[in-house]
Amino acid sequence: EAGVVQSPRYKIIEKKQPVAFWCNPISGHNTLYWYRQNLGQGPELLIRYENEEAVDDSQLPKDRFSAERLKGVDSTLKIQPAELGDSAVYLCASSFYGSFGTQYFGPGTRLLVL
Amino acid sequence: TQLLEQSPQFLSIQEGENLTVYCNSSSVFSSLQWYRQEPGEGPVLLVTVVTGGEVKKLKRLTFQFGDARKDSSLHITAAQTGDTGLYLCAGAIGNTPLVFGKGTRLSVIA
Repeated sequence: EAGVVQSPRYKIIEKKQPVAFWCNPISGHNTLYWYRQNLGQGPELLIRYENEEAVDDSQLPKDRFSAERLKGVDSTLKIQPAELGDSAVYLCASSFYGSFGTQYFGPGTRLLVL
Repeated sequence: TQLLEQSPQFLSIQEGENLTVYCNSSSVFSSLQWYRQEPGEGPVLLVTVVTGGEVKKLKRLTFQFGDARKDSSLHITAAQTGDTGLYLCAGAIGNTPLVFGKGTRLSVIA
């Protein structure tokens, strides 16, 4: 069974440029999470989807970050414009039963903003 | 304020030694999970504990949930180089999303 797939694995951009990350969760998982992990820190939740509905986006910086999960499967996370402080690893995870279910993480996208 | 405090932050030991890492909070959790994350990869779930005082063993790893469900420990017996990684604890309170600690970065030297 394929795990959570993320792309790209690495991205280097200049500040003020836009960037997008893509996530394909494990088949059948209705809950999808986007996390940001800064260097030396644990993951911090940005947004959680139940199917196609964003049920928790309180930690998403909405002035520059946006996310969508069309059809309740794949998801994209976008930053526009990127800032130096956005450099981090962006992790996607999925699970069956929302916050009670075991979360399976993808390998992450490592973003470097110059 | 960090909800989950993990200690130590860094740990470097020789192969064959034993070690314990800790996860502490002032909050009561309905469940607590331990993950291991290797460089360039996402966290991988090791165990979930839900009952106060619960002890779970996974080969050389022993996990304990505190009686009051506010803290947890992970003990590794006879560490191996393959145990090297970032150990994260994450707690859930009711139906709220998981909150992660900052992790303990373990390095096991041959």
